Amino acid sequence: EIVLTQSPGTLSLSPGERATLSCRASQSVSSSYLAWYQQKPGQAPRLLIYGASSRATGIPDRFSGSGSGTDFTLTISRLEPEDFAVYYCQQYGSSPRMYTFGQGTRLEIK
Amino acid sequence: EVQLLESGGGLVQPGGSLRLSCAASGFTFSSYAMSWVRQAPGKGLEWVSAISGSGGSTYYADSVKGRFTISRDNSKNTLYLQMNSLRAEDTTVYYCAKEQTTGNTFSGRGGMDVWGQGTTVTVSS
Repeated sequence: EIVLTQSPGTLSLSPGERATLSCRASQSVSSSYLAWYQQKPGQAPRLLIYGASSRATGIPDRFSGSGSGTDFTLTISRLEPEDFAVYYCQQYGSSPRMYTFGQGTRLEIK
Repeated sequence: EVQLLESGGGLVQPGGSLRLSCAASGFTFSSYAMSWVRQAPGKGLEWVSAISGSGGSTYYADSVKGRFTISRDNSKNTLYLQMNSLRAEDTTVYYCAKEQTTGNTFSGRGGMDVWGQGTTVTVSS
């Protein structure tokens, strides 16, 4: 089973700054099966990025994803107040078929 | 509007059973694989189970295999999770979620693009 490790655990930044969140896999992951989600308190997760770099419908272009193999990155180019939340990466494994999530990165206002 | 609405959560004793439901609307339910994902209070997300669009194929996390059963009724646009032999560690919010990619199989390509609001299960004596 592939383990996803996100870093940092907490990231403290100010609005307008650039955020870089990391997701590292314990073994190589197909980019096609790597996604990122945003979750705000009391809300369900929201799909941001799929296929490592494709934005989901309605997601602003300040969100971008990149990476391949074992290292993936979510970048928020210029933080808006509504971007402060917890972010999870997720991968799909085909044998056995299952999803696994990283432990999350909390993005907080500095 | 595409929507998922969970129900069926509540308080149950250890060893007990509960069935969760997820009513879908606004899309062709049978064309999409569906998943259950849970989240313990203050913790991260844990995928629990998935089912193909037809219901013919099911998949489970090791933590629930043999205790939980996922199913669907495409005529009622409803997803289910039958939970037996419940343990304290099953106390979480349970979300149902729709695969973004159309197709009968649980392919994982595209992630999960629609989520319900969640239903809370508490296992306690």
